[in-house]
Amino acid sequence: NAGVMQNPRHLVRRRGQEARLRCSPMKGHSHVYWYRQLPEEGLKFMVYLQKENIIDESGMPKERFSAEFPKEGPSILRIQQVVRGDSAAYFCASSPEKTRTPNTGELFFGEGSRLTVL
Amino acid sequence: AQSVTQLDSQVPVFEEAPVELRCNYSSSVSVYLFWYVQYPNQGLQLLLKYLSGSTLVKGINGFEAEFNKSQTSFHLRKPSVHISDTAEYFCALTSGTYKYIFGTGTRLKVLA
Repeated sequence: NAGVMQNPRHLVRRRGQEARLRCSPMKGHSHVYWYRQLPEEGLKFMVYLQKENIIDESGMPKERFSAEFPKEGPSILRIQQVVRGDSAAYFCASSPEKTRTPNTGELFFGEGSRLTVL
Repeated sequence: AQSVTQLDSQVPVFEEAPVELRCNYSSSVSVYLFWYVQYPNQGLQLLLKYLSGSTLVKGINGFEAEFNKSQTSFHLRKPSVHISDTAEYFCALTSGTYKYIFGTGTRLKVLA
């Protein structure tokens, strides 16, 4: 499967624990985006990463959330000390190298990771 | 600020009937518009997109959408739905950045 791979698909955590969500972009894609879908809401942009660089994290909560995309391995979205309000579906998307602006390209989405905080 | 509104959270329709899923947007600058579909337990898949040119856009699986600038709408239509079209449909826009603005989604349920 050459699509965007996310794991785990479902994750249950108790309040105060840490959640780690992983995303492997499509082959040949070097741009990764994380979106969050809260219940009854649309997907909202969180962060945009390239290999070893955070390009834009303006949609990330200021505390407890962090993201990385190391030179080797998947992108990781990390949520420390989870609270019930973090329960959501977290989607990763990827896109190929951009050679021009504006960006009108398609985002390729994974199946999402559904986090439930008890 | 930009926004996307999908007023219908759920749309039930009988098989082989036509369907229209509504999407309205707000933006002070030109935008590019998208419809994504999410089948149960799957990721989002692009149905179609409007970038420029003809306002009637055809996508996969027999879907089409019409961009109406004066009404700031981008409604999705299909003349005859199948059971397999049961899914959640998201309208989205971008003004040329990677920050897509998504609507809250419309659940299409096709009834036998």
